[in-house]
Amino acid sequence: GAGVSQSPRYKVAKRGQDVALRCDPISGHVSLFWYQQALGQGPEFLTYFQNEAQLDKSGLPSDRFFAERPEGSVSTLKIQRTQQEDSAVYLCASSLEGFEEQFFGPGTRLTVL
Amino acid sequence: RKEVEQDPGPFNVPEGATVAFNCTYSNSASQSFFWYRQDCRKEPKLLMSVYSSGNEDGRFTAQLNRASQYISLLIRDSKLSDSATYLCVVNLTSGTYKYIFGTGTRLKVLA
Repeated sequence: GAGVSQSPRYKVAKRGQDVALRCDPISGHVSLFWYQQALGQGPEFLTYFQNEAQLDKSGLPSDRFFAERPEGSVSTLKIQRTQQEDSAVYLCASSLEGFEEQFFGPGTRLTVL
Repeated sequence: RKEVEQDPGPFNVPEGATVAFNCTYSNSASQSFFWYRQDCRKEPKLLMSVYSSGNEDGRFTAQLNRASQYISLLIRDSKLSDSATYLCVVNLTSGTYKYIFGTGTRLKVLA
């Protein structure tokens, strides 16, 4: 069956550009999470949705980061005015219910020049 | 202090060896615990959940000590294919279901 998919898989942006990263969760999964993983580190939580409601955005590092899931399925993470420190792998995960196992997508590797 | 701490390694072990990884967490409200495996440039995948009574899955054994806030993973009879980064994960499961990851422990099994 289809797992979590993310696009694009790789993104190179010039500093100051805006980027949009897409996540397609497993069909029927209520919960969706975004994580940021820097090189050599574990993933760090960014934000969490239950259906279309964004219940926790405590991990978003600045107001340049914005996430949405308007119809409770596909989600987009947007980063405005990208900075070099935004370079990382952005992982999306979904779970059937929040407390169950999270399934991760392949990630989007963002490089900001 | 990080909320979840692991020794980053690397652990280089010969095939057939037994290796143990440890992890400590700081939030006593943590409710569920996992070990995820992450191969180079791939996404994390669940290896096993960790229960208070301890649990085993083939060559893998996980233990949880709530009093000491400590989690362990034991791998017996290591295979070359076990080479990966092992991520310790804690989930608060109250209000938010976010995962809190350790840095990961790198394992390399040598022929």
